[in-house]
Amino acid sequence: QQQVKQSPQSLIVQKGGISIINCAYENTAFDYFPWYQQFPGKGPALLIAIRPDVSEKKEGRFTISFNKSAKQFSLHIMDSQPGDSATYFCAASGRDTGGFKTIFGAGTRLFVKA
Amino acid sequence: KAGVTQTPRYLIKTRGQQVTLSCSPISGHRSVSWYQQTPGQGLQFLFEYFSETQRNKGNFPGRFSGRQFSNSRSEMNVSTLELGDSALYLCASSLGPADTQYFGPGTRLTVL
Repeated sequence: QQQVKQSPQSLIVQKGGISIINCAYENTAFDYFPWYQQFPGKGPALLIAIRPDVSEKKEGRFTISFNKSAKQFSLHIMDSQPGDSATYFCAASGRDTGGFKTIFGAGTRLFVKA
Repeated sequence: KAGVTQTPRYLIKTRGQQVTLSCSPISGHRSVSWYQQTPGQGLQFLFEYFSETQRNKGNFPGRFSGRQFSNSRSEMNVSTLELGDSALYLCASSLGPADTQYFGPGTRLTVL
């Protein structure tokens, strides 16, 4: 079964530091890579997404870096704040056997220390 | 535009009972996916519906079933509940199967 491998499982960062979460996918047909942020008791919310025609996308303090040849992408949170403490999920979607699919990584619990 | 709504938000059941969860997608969205989320297990895909047809199904036993209505609203049913079914059940809607998914707040199911 196709997987999206996400690391690290948990991350502790000092306030003002850079948080980096990495994901790797297998299916080269996947062409859409979103990141979701989930706070306790809430559903995941779309944070930022990228398509493989660009290598980087930035929205405020959040940046996705994409390496198509390595089939890897990562989320960078600059100037991390305590309010960024949440669980982050990467995902990969596109056409797979049986139709379109979205596969999620296992999640990364981020804690930003004040 | 209203987001994805799920009802009920919380549910307590006992083993052996059955439960039905409801999801109303964002207006205009025709695809609905269901996920089970347990601590340490991430988002486990249950099934996806588009235009009232199940398009994809995850690796869950037949006790888990779902359906979608003509107005795109979806329900999932779990029969013969087990303790291990305790989880947050999330619904996500999208315009179509290949589009961005938007999640609802989830239904927290506790099986005693």
